[in-house]
Amino acid sequence: KAGVTQTPRYLIKTRGQQVTLSCSPISGHRSVSWYQQTPGQGLQFLFEYFSETQRNKGNFPGRFSGRQFSNSRSEMNVSTLELGDSALYLCASRLSQETQYFGPGTRLLVL
Amino acid sequence: DAKTTQPPSMDCAEGRAANLPCNHSTISGNEYVYWYRQIHSQGPQYIIHGLKNNETNEMASLIITEDRKSSTLILPHATLRDTAVYYCIVENYGQNFVFGPGTRLSVLP
Repeated sequence: KAGVTQTPRYLIKTRGQQVTLSCSPISGHRSVSWYQQTPGQGLQFLFEYFSETQRNKGNFPGRFSGRQFSNSRSEMNVSTLELGDSALYLCASRLSQETQYFGPGTRLLVL
Repeated sequence: DAKTTQPPSMDCAEGRAANLPCNHSTISGNEYVYWYRQIHSQGPQYIIHGLKNNETNEMASLIITEDRKSSTLILPHATLRDTAVYYCIVENYGQNFVFGPGTRLSVLP
């Protein structure tokens, strides 16, 4: 089976712009979670989607949003980018409640 | 906050067993112990998980103490490719993870 894929792998934006990241889960997986990883804060949970509904949400501002499509693919959006949003954004998928499998991540640099 | 405590770094000689400890003294009855590793800013890779019993798979063994307050991940024959940050996570089944800083394992030739 193909693993979790994320696009793009690298991205450079400027402050104030918005960005959309995409995640395709492992075939058959219905849950997609997003995490942010920075040197200062480590790996932090953003939100989880299951069957097109947000199931859990971490402690991030409303500038961070996401959605899931009927084929389980997910996107996350960050509006009004700030320098501190520079990070590795990771997506993880699972069938429902089972072990999470992570993608390679999208590295976002905000200038 | 993470529910686990791990040493920040460890070294291991290539070919020897790497034993990575994790303390989780406040673990509750329904919480699992998960281990992941992250190699140089790639996505975390699942290694193993367990509830009460010791577990073994093709990558590693997980030893959980009888009181479940600590565990040890064992890589039986460490190679240079096992150099990574290892995360021990305690969480209810199906919940999302709170990661700590992990243990940076360096496998030395």
